[in-house]
Amino acid sequence: GIQVEQSPPDLILQEGANSTLRCNFSDSVNNLQWFHQNPWGQLINLFYIPSGTKQNGRLSATTVATERYSLLYISSSQTTDSGVYFCAVRPNQAGTALIFGKGTTLSVSS
Amino acid sequence: GAVVSQHPSWVICKSGTSVKIECRSLDFQATTMFWYRQFPKQSLMLMATSNEGSKATYEQGVEKDKFLINHASLTLSTLTVTSAHPEDSSFYICSVKRANYGYTFGSGTRLTVV
Repeated sequence: GIQVEQSPPDLILQEGANSTLRCNFSDSVNNLQWFHQNPWGQLINLFYIPSGTKQNGRLSATTVATERYSLLYISSSQTTDSGVYFCAVRPNQAGTALIFGKGTTLSVSS
Repeated sequence: GAVVSQHPSWVICKSGTSVKIECRSLDFQATTMFWYRQFPKQSLMLMATSNEGSKATYEQGVEKDKFLINHASLTLSTLTVTSAHPEDSSFYICSVKRANYGYTFGSGTRLTVV
């Protein structure tokens, strides 16, 4: 099946710093989403971005489907940005569910 | 996107008993819902795809007789963990997909079997 690799696995930042999270996937996809999982387990949808670039406040994301990767940018990080960030994809060829990467755990300190 | 309600948020049960988890799509008729399981500090793993009016499709390694899925209506899917044991303790979360909006997830159910 498709492989979804996220990097880095862990990231520690000072408040105000910028960061880039990466998601590589091994096969073509027709859906890609970035999620933030808060300490209570809730998955917050950040971006639905099968291709192109989107921005929402301090967050932005870019997916280059032909090169099979996506990037999530976090600018001017805040302590509330802490948590786990997941990339999830829906492969073109198999099934209908999202397949998740292992996540990036972000810790932002003040 | 769709609004998904999951109940209960947490449950503690005794070993050997069964637990039912409900997933409701509040503003969208979902012919398909998805059930995931997440162990501590791990990613979400797809357990099964729930299909309205037909049998669920289980992922390899997931026991269909232990994790009973019923999708009796377009807005409700249930997951029943039968004869639960401590190793079934986990975070269970459901999802629906809506065209052009992507996938939305319920708030999850934290199951602890003692």
